[in-house]
Amino acid sequence: QVQLVQSGAEVKKPGASVKVSCKASGYTFTSYYVHWVRLAPGQGLEWMGVINPSDTSATYAQKFQGRVTMARDTSATTVYMALSSLRSEDTAVYYCARDRPILVGATPVFEYWGQGTLVIVSS
Amino acid sequence: QSVLTQPPSVSAAPGQKVTISCSGSSSNIGNNYVSWYQHLPGTAPKLLIYDNNKRPSGIPDRFSGSKSGTSATLGITGLHTGDEADYYCATWDSSLTAEVFGGGTKLTVL
Repeated sequence: QVQLVQSGAEVKKPGASVKVSCKASGYTFTSYYVHWVRLAPGQGLEWMGVINPSDTSATYAQKFQGRVTMARDTSATTVYMALSSLRSEDTAVYYCARDRPILVGATPVFEYWGQGTLVIVSS
Repeated sequence: QSVLTQPPSVSAAPGQKVTISCSGSSSNIGNNYVSWYQHLPGTAPKLLIYDNNKRPSGIPDRFSGSKSGTSATLGITGLHTGDEADYYCATWDSSLTAEVFGGGTKLTVL
């Protein structure tokens, strides 16, 4: 069965960086986009970006451009999301989510989700 | 301020029906498929509806979706307390080149 297992909670100081991992199993890793979505306290879901594991190409939300990097390790079937220059507003639960099969022009559908990784940014 | 507009909250009695609206524009809902997600605190969001009105395997037919122009609607019938959650609409915005979510609607089953 499809599983996305994320790394554990992190506590970071303002200005630091964090790297969250998302290990995929149960499907062909390079055939599906993986997105990152976050949920901050009292806020709604927020899309951060997407990576194509087959060629590492990525698209980031304008809000995070310059601060976020998404990468993958094919041999480990793992996707990573790194966020730099952290501030208190980045305190949130970060989720990876698998899309449906890679198709040009298809609207994303988040079929499977990781369990979430809590990132706390505090001095 | 979210690109997609949802009511902050809705409520209904057990056994009743509720609808949740999601309003957008031609650059998002008007020209792309809509999905709906259910989020219970402490858990990962769950896909309820995709491509406007399709249900993934395992989602009961109490949940339905529709789209007209630049608006979409989620319907839930036969409400029970287990349906209390936050509900989000989502779609691709071709102008922003980004996935966008509604602000979320908190459903209370009275």
